[in-house]
Formats: sequence, C-alpha cells, structure tokens
Amino acid sequence: DGGITQSPKYLFRKEGQNVTLSCEQNLNHDAMYWYRQDPGQGLRLIYYSQIVNDFQKGDIAEGYSVSREKKESFPLTVTSAQKNPTAFYLCASSPRRGERQPQHFGDGTRLSIL
Amino acid sequence: GDSVTQMEGPVTLSEEAFLTINCTYTATGYPSLFWYVQYPGEGLQLLLKATKADDKGSNKGFEATYRKETTSFHLEKGSVQVSDSAVYFCALSETGGSYIPTFGRGTSLIVHP
Repeated sequence: DGGITQSPKYLFRKEGQNVTLSCEQNLNHDAMYWYRQDPGQGLRLIYYSQIVNDFQKGDIAEGYSVSREKKESFPLTVTSAQKNPTAFYLCASSPRRGERQPQHFGDGTRLSIL
Repeated sequence: GDSVTQMEGPVTLSEEAFLTINCTYTATGYPSLFWYVQYPGEGLQLLLKATKADDKGSNKGFEATYRKETTSFHLEKGSVQVSDSAVYFCALSETGGSYIPTFGRGTSLIVHP
C-alpha cells in the first residue's frame, strides 16, 4: 500500500546538535509539507515543496532547513539555531499543487531535548 | 486570507451521545472542505470531505454537509463510541498555483464509557 513513512518515531537532540527527520512517500505526489505540532496546539507549517529542487518557507521556518532532491523524499533538519525544538513533527503530501485534494500524513516524529 | 474556526475543546461526552463539532470558514473562492482525525501519537487521517456546496461527506458514521450560505461544515455523529476519542481538525483547500491548505486548531473529543 502507498503511504508516507516518517523516521525515526522518537528522536533526541543534544545541545548544539543538528538532527534530520526523514520523510519518504510512494504515492507519486508532487507536493510535500512539514508541520510542527505542540501539545494542545494545531498545525504550524514549517516548509513546503511543490516540485523537486524547489521549496518555500512556511510560517515558522527559522531554525529549520529542508531539501527536495527526489520526488519521494523531503527530509527536515532541525538545526542548533532552533532553541525550542521539542515538538511532534508531521510530514504530509498531496497529489499536485493548486488542486483541492486532501493531504496524506505520516505517523510523525517526536523530538525531545536531552 | 482564508481561515477555519473550530469550536474550543475538549468536548466530553458519554458513549452513545450525539456529537456536533462546529466548523466555519472564510475563503475567497470555492474550496473543498475536509475533516481529519488524529488519534493519540499518530498523524492525521482524512475522515471525510466535500467538494461543493450541499455535498455531504460521510464515513464511519460521521457526517458533514458543505453549507455555502452559512460557510459551515459541522461534523456530526449520532452515537459516539469510546474509540472515537481523538482530535478532529477541519480544513479547507482552494485551487491556485501555490495554495496551501488551511487548518483549524483542532477539537479534542473525549468519550467516556
């Protein structure tokens, strides 16, 4: 079955360390997204990409970076500049930019500070 | 800009009670509307959708009707179960070259036996 795979499920970051969250999809979707979710909060958009080798900042991009070298993959790096990285991170995809389609979500990565 | 407003939670119900979670939206065009459900520790799953006015989306006993005149898409279920306990998100998506979906803040539902 097609879907989105996020790994790892749990991740711990040390002070001053960069960590990378993986997101892979086999749905042949053009668009991919990263969201941050804090306890009791909604979704906040970090970055999105609607085509390979192109991506845009969302509402809270500071302290994060992404790449989109392959259609299937959209890894998120949480850099040491992100001072409050503890959160639940969700990756999503949708078929094509500009269409009124639902998003498909992965099962998330929970990031904590050591 | 576009926005989605959901009722504040948590909504606490007894098993077999009737559920309504209110959702209203503002949009410049003619969006598609969605309800997603998030179980603890998981990602969001699409629960139902409606793509035009007066459409009714339904799934697993949940229903929502796209009301253009009141810009609403309220989620309802006639008899909730403990297993329905989750967070529910209302969302909209419009056409447009770089359009990003808009989500509500989510409503937590707790169902007691």
